[in-house]
Amino acid sequence: EDKVVQSPLSLVVHEGDTVTLNCSYEVTNFRSLLWYKQEKKAPTFLFMLTSSGIEKKSGRLSSILDKKELFSILNITATQTGDSAIYLCAVATGSGGSNYKLTFGKGTLLTVNP
Amino acid sequence: DAGVTQSPTHLIKTRGQQVTLRCSPKSGHDTVSWYQQALGQGPQFIFQYYEEEERQRGNFPDRFSGHQFPNYSSELNVNALLLGDSALYLCASSSRVLLSYEQYFGPGTRLTVT
Repeated sequence: EDKVVQSPLSLVVHEGDTVTLNCSYEVTNFRSLLWYKQEKKAPTFLFMLTSSGIEKKSGRLSSILDKKELFSILNITATQTGDSAIYLCAVATGSGGSNYKLTFGKGTLLTVNP
Repeated sequence: DAGVTQSPTHLIKTRGQQVTLRCSPKSGHDTVSWYQQALGQGPQFIFQYYEEEERQRGNFPDRFSGHQFPNYSSELNVNALLLGDSALYLCASSSRVLLSYEQYFGPGTRLTVT
């Protein structure tokens, strides 16, 4: 059975801190790893990583994938209160073509205090 | 450009009843996936539809069934509701043509079973 494990499950920091969120996985037929941010209801897409060692960056957020060690990290620098959310890691798996599914971890609840 | 829409927003049902949830995909998308998100958990994959057929299914009983219409919209049906079916039901759309694993999520339907 495919497994995605995120750590920590929750984190409380002060504005301006830097945080690192972890995601490890054990899956069959890995295709890609995705990070989402969930504030109220709908998860919103942050990054998709397919190749090892290539950092994806968007403003204060960055992420990297290690396919040998089967993990990814999401970094947020200079955190703001608006970064408070649940961060979800998902792994896309499939046997080929366009048949795939996403397996999610439980998420990391990040709280940024002013 | 309309994103993924879901209806209804909230629903309260009694044990043993049946429920139908609806989803319209983002414009240009042809694939719909359904997820169940219990409180404090990540979304769990229920099934995926494209070309009006169920293509992949997660570990959910036959009480969970779905349908996709020619306009790509989709329904999720749950029969013989149990208390444990209370959750946020998320619909996500994607495009097979784009060959991307990124899925766009709707705001979800909050189902409460009493």
